[in-house]
Amino acid sequence: DGGITQSPKYLFRKEGQNVTLSCEQNLNHDAMYWYRQDPGQGLRLIYYSQIVNDFQKGDIAEGYSVSREKKESFPLTVTSAQKNPTAFYLCASSIQGSNEKLFFGSGTQLSVL
Amino acid sequence: AQKITQTQPGMFVQEKEAVTLDCTYDTSDPSYGLFWYKQPSSGEMIFLIYQGSYDQQNATEGRYSLNFQKARKSANLVISASQLGDSAMYFCAMRELPHSGAGSYQLTFGKGTKLSVIP
Repeated sequence: DGGITQSPKYLFRKEGQNVTLSCEQNLNHDAMYWYRQDPGQGLRLIYYSQIVNDFQKGDIAEGYSVSREKKESFPLTVTSAQKNPTAFYLCASSIQGSNEKLFFGSGTQLSVL
Repeated sequence: AQKITQTQPGMFVQEKEAVTLDCTYDTSDPSYGLFWYKQPSSGEMIFLIYQGSYDQQNATEGRYSLNFQKARKSANLVISASQLGDSAMYFCAMRELPHSGAGSYQLTFGKGTKLSVIP
């Protein structure tokens, strides 16, 4: 079945540590996105990528980094510069186009030890 | 200013009854898309329904319909014949087209409404 796979489901970060969240899709979508969700809040865009080897900052990119070396993969690194990393992280992908819906993964819950 | 406003943090509905979840949006672009997603406790976002700004008729998908009032900039979700499995968070989202033709098509989300279906 086609879809988006996020791993791990739960992740713990120590102070000063970088951690990487995985996102893989087999939908052959060009565009991929990372969103952050805090309790009781909507989703906020961290980074997005429309094609391989290209990505742009979203609304809350500080303290995060991404890469897009392959069409299928869009990993997100939460760096030590992100002072409040505890949140639920959702990866999504879509076909490029104005009315194309986003397909989402099942998310990663990141917590700070 | 918020682009998407969902004024109902929580809603209760009796099983088998209909419920309307409110959403208003703010944009000056003539071309945009409006989406509703469901997020159950498992966390995954599930697409429910889409409405384009130029669509003449309200969108419908099974028990879901979108009450689109363009002049009021509202896009309310109507769920008919509520089921226990409808208990979840519901998010309204908008996609605006980039002015230059390039750029992203990311969605901007509201803060959500928590729907609880009572047996």
